[in-house]
Amino acid sequence: QLQLQESGPGLVQSSETLSLTCTVSGGSISNVNYYWGWIRQPPGKGLEWIANIFYGGDIYYNPSLKGRVTISIDTSMNQFSLKLRSVTAADTAVYFCARRGARDAYNYGAFDFWGQGTLVTVSS
Amino acid sequence: QTVVTQEPSFSVSPGGTVTLTCGLSGGSVTINNYPSWIQQTPGQAPRTLIHNTNTRSFGVPDRFSGSILGNKAALTITGAQADDESDYHCVLFMGSGISVFGGGTKLTVL
Repeated sequence: QLQLQESGPGLVQSSETLSLTCTVSGGSISNVNYYWGWIRQPPGKGLEWIANIFYGGDIYYNPSLKGRVTISIDTSMNQFSLKLRSVTAADTAVYFCARRGARDAYNYGAFDFWGQGTLVTVSS
Repeated sequence: QTVVTQEPSFSVSPGGTVTLTCGLSGGSVTINNYPSWIQQTPGQAPRTLIHNTNTRSFGVPDRFSGSILGNKAALTITGAQADDESDYHCVLFMGSGISVFGGGTKLTVL
């Protein structure tokens, strides 16, 4: 069974960089049928898509965050990562990692497996 | 800016039927947006119920169904149960590689 697990600091200082890693187990991050992504949820609010990456390097970013966010992948470690620069209190959220189907996947365009999420609080 | 709209809240009686919708500002939701529906219970990981408009994920009861109704995507729960009380999120795939979530609907079963 595929599992995803987020890790990283739970507290980040305002104006600093938020860094998170998602470790994938039970399957290969180099699977040609899937993208890997980050989604966040501020307290009491809805989900917001952040970015997706394909093992071959194809990347998509939420236009509202582009310029502050970088997603990367490490196939040797079966991990992918998120960096969000210049954070403010508005970036306080639970951050989820998830798998999204690519063109030939059964779930094209949709997220299927999710991590449990990790709360990141931005403090001033 | 693309905005996906959902009802903020809805209530249904146990055993009843409820339809939640997912719209697109200034346009129509179609099968080409590959709408999916995600259930989220407080403190738990999201669970994808429906993808590709109407395909149930493995293990999802058949009381959950997805469709396109008019110009919106829809999630129908037939024979609602107490443990269906959750937040339901719609997400559209915009084809340019971008995904957009709606604000979510808080469903109460009472």
